Amino acid sequence: QQPVQSPQAVILREGEDAVINCSSSKALYSVHWYRQKHGEAPVFLMILLKGGEQKGHEKISASFNEKKQQSSLYLTASQLSYSGTYFCGTENGYNNNDMRFGAGTRLTVKP
Amino acid sequence: NAGVTQTPKFQVLKTGQSMTLQCAQDMNHEYMSWYRQDPGMGLRLIHYSVGAGITDQGEVPNGYNVSRSTTEDFPLRLLSAAPSQTSVYFCASRHTSGDTGELFFGEGSRLTVL
Repeated sequence: QQPVQSPQAVILREGEDAVINCSSSKALYSVHWYRQKHGEAPVFLMILLKGGEQKGHEKISASFNEKKQQSSLYLTASQLSYSGTYFCGTENGYNNNDMRFGAGTRLTVKP
Repeated sequence: NAGVTQTPKFQVLKTGQSMTLQCAQDMNHEYMSWYRQDPGMGLRLIHYSVGAGITDQGEVPNGYNVSRSTTEDFPLRLLSAAPSQTSVYFCASRHTSGDTGELFFGEGSRLTVL
C-alpha cells in the first residue's frame, strides 16, 4: 500500500523552512527520501532504519517515528536548488524488496 | 561506471503493438526493479527481481512481463500495448544486503501508446 504524503505542494521563498510528512497504514522497517527534478530521475537523499532516528544531509534532515508509522523531512533555510518533487519510499520488513512510494510533494523555492 | 542505463528514452506505439524496454546496470546489484510514474500517482512498482532467475510482482504488474537471465539486465516487456500504459518508466537497482539501501535510477523511458 502506498504511503501518504502531505502536503501535495509547497511554495517557499529562499531561506524559509518546510516540512514534508509521510505516513503509512502498515508497520515500517525503513523510510527512504528521494528528490526528483523535472525531467530527471529521482535521486536518493537518505534512508532511516530505526525508530526515532534522525539523519541529516546538508540542511535537509529527517526523522522516523516507528510507533506512529511516520517520517518527516525537514528543509531548513531553503535554497533555489531545493526545488523539485520529494518522494518518500517505505518498506515493511528487512529485505522486503517491495518499496512503495508516496505520490510526492512538489516544492517550489522562489527568490 | 555507467550506473543504470535504460533504452529507449522515447517510444511511440500503437495499441496492440509489443515492445521491450531495456535496463542494464554495471554495479553488480542483486536487486532490480521497474516503476511507472504517472502525474499525481508517484512511482508505482511493476515488477522486481532479487537475482538472476528470480522475479516477483509489484503493485501494478498486469500487462507487463519481466525476466532476469543475468545480474546485469532486467528487460520489461509489453506484449500488447494499451493507452493506459502511456507513462514514464524507471528502472532502478541496489544491493540487497547492507543498510545503505539506496536505489539508483535510470534516466527513464517515456512511452506513448496511441
